[in-house]
Amino acid sequence: AQSVTQPDIHITVSEGASLELRCNYSYGATPYLFWYVQSPGQGLQLLLKYFSGDTLVQGIKGFEAEFKRSQSSFNLRKPSVHWSDAAEYFCAVFSGGYNKLIFGAGTRLAVHP
Amino acid sequence: DAGVTQSPTHLIKTRGQQVTLRCSPISGHKSVSWYQQVLGQGPQFIFQYYEKEERGRGNFPDRFSARQFPNYSSELNVNALLLGDSALYLCASSPSLRDGGYNEQFFGPGTRLTVL
Repeated sequence: AQSVTQPDIHITVSEGASLELRCNYSYGATPYLFWYVQSPGQGLQLLLKYFSGDTLVQGIKGFEAEFKRSQSSFNLRKPSVHWSDAAEYFCAVFSGGYNKLIFGAGTRLAVHP
Repeated sequence: DAGVTQSPTHLIKTRGQQVTLRCSPISGHKSVSWYQQVLGQGPQFIFQYYEKEERGRGNFPDRFSARQFPNYSSELNVNALLLGDSALYLCASSPSLRDGGYNEQFFGPGTRLTVL
């Protein structure tokens, strides 16, 4: 069965520091992968997605993610974190039917000034 | 253009009651999905509707039901509420639906349901 694991429940970084959020997936075929961000009281905003092609994908707000098939990973990165990046981040995989997404449990990011 | 809208924003119910949540998709979008997000967890798929027909259902009890109207808006109904139904309910819309393919989904802000 498809699944997504985000090993880090909570991460704290200093403003200006680099960031990497981990995501591992379980899926039989080539996955469609997504990263979403959720700020308090807000819905989910798509940061970036990977369907095929270049394994390094660029997203909004300066985020990027790298698909590594050999490691079943799709880690999210940002070279310099801003205080406004504090939010919860969800990795998701398309399940293969009817637009259904399977989400990880999320990683809550805190940013220290 | 307006995004996905959901109403109400918050509501509080007691165990055993019934609740109806509403979703209006982005104009022109014909598919609506519902997700439940329990505190501390990622969203879980409940239903998908396309052209007023149910096209997908997640692992939720029959107390959960939904429908889609001719204007493509949707309602999610939950009967006999349990404490464990307390969650953020998210609606997402997409332009269409392809069997086995993916259409980008746009999420609304959600309805926060508290069951006491």
